[in-house]
Amino acid sequence: KAGVTQTPRYLIKTRGQQVTLSCSPISGHRSVSWYQQTPGQGLQFLFEYFSETQRNKGNFPGRFSGRQFSNSRSEMNVSTLELGDSALYLCASRGGYNEQFFGPGTRLTVL
Amino acid sequence: DQQVKQNSPSLSVQEGRISILNCDYTNSMFDYFLWYKKYPAEGPTFLISISSIKDKNEDGRFTVFLNKSAKHLSLHIVPSQPGDSAVYFCAASMNRDDKIIFGKGTRLHILP
Repeated sequence: KAGVTQTPRYLIKTRGQQVTLSCSPISGHRSVSWYQQTPGQGLQFLFEYFSETQRNKGNFPGRFSGRQFSNSRSEMNVSTLELGDSALYLCASRGGYNEQFFGPGTRLTVL
Repeated sequence: DQQVKQNSPSLSVQEGRISILNCDYTNSMFDYFLWYKKYPAEGPTFLISISSIKDKNEDGRFTVFLNKSAKHLSLHIVPSQPGDSAVYFCAASMNRDDKIIFGKGTRLHILP
């Protein structure tokens, strides 16, 4: 089975712009979660989608949003980018058990 | 509010010895715990998990111990190998449909 894929792998944006990141889960997985990783903060949970519905949500501002399509692919959008949004954004898919499988991440740099 | 805490940012261990990574949690409702390993420029990979009905789970060189009364778990790696050098994340969730909360990670260095 192919693993979790994320596109793009690297992105450079400027403050005030918006960005959309994409994640394709493992085939058959219906749950997709998004995390932000910054130095010293570990992996901070953004949100989880299951069957096109947001099932869980972390403590991020409304500038961070997501959606999931009928084929389970998910997108994450960040509007009005701030310097502090520079981070590695990780997507993970979950099958029938609790273990999550992560993609390689998208490295976002905001200038 | 950090519900999953890894208080040691880094740990250095001699090759061949035991590595012990610790994790504390505050939410007594957590009933499933996981450990992940992360190399630079890669996503985390699942290592081992434990349900709250157990106090130990073993998989090869990796053993996870859970002490529910102390809200503490630990990952033991025996023997430690150079390829074990990575960042290790402890994670927890309340049930299989709940979000998985991660700690900040511990960087493990295996010394030759």
